[in-house]
Amino acid sequence: DAGVIQSPRHEVTEMGQEVTLRCKPISGHDYLFWYRQTMMRGLELLIYFNNNVPIDDSGMPEDRFSAKMPNASFSTLKIQPSEPRDSAVYFCAIRQGGETQYFGPGTRLLVL
Amino acid sequence: GQQVMQIPQYQHVQEGEDFTTYCNSSTTLSNIQWYKQRPGGHPVFLIQLVKSGEVKKQKRLTFQFGEAKKNSSLHITATQTTDVGTYFCAAPSGGSYIPTFGRGTSLIVHP
Repeated sequence: DAGVIQSPRHEVTEMGQEVTLRCKPISGHDYLFWYRQTMMRGLELLIYFNNNVPIDDSGMPEDRFSAKMPNASFSTLKIQPSEPRDSAVYFCAIRQGGETQYFGPGTRLLVL
Repeated sequence: GQQVMQIPQYQHVQEGEDFTTYCNSSTTLSNIQWYKQRPGGHPVFLIQLVKSGEVKKQKRLTFQFGEAKKNSSLHITATQTTDVGTYFCAAPSGGSYIPTFGRGTSLIVHP
């Protein structure tokens, strides 16, 4: 693995609460991706950054979702307010110059 | 936009049997990647194919890229319980160079 740390690994929250997911990639990447995975919709690309700049956020489902990358070592995905249908596994992935993507372990989110 | 269609969605096999999953596109692909995700895990890169008709092998896994670069397959010979997981193909969609993932094929191996 290329070294992508995600936190928290598991999150259980109540509907209406704000949820912040974090990603800490190793240095040397040029792209950072946020994905959502559910049984119904599979692996969906939400947004990606190139050199810390958001390039395409067309996959972000609603205005309740936002993502930031203040520096090369940190990115957040925020959901405010959260809803039960947001329950999913959220992955952060990076690319290091080539075509290959390296995924973090994911955050398993359950919104009650 | 362009999508890669992956079949089958699920495949049950007895340990020792072979397994194949297919990815198809209506347009020519510049390249295709394959990933494996173990239950409860995250997608892990397996291989990338770039050339028309390319065939690559990794032990019991054989990856093929079609001559027209519109389809690809992953074949596992003599499956083992360690092969259990979901296999995804991913390829750049439309004018983007960012890969779009197929829905995956979940392999269940019965001992």
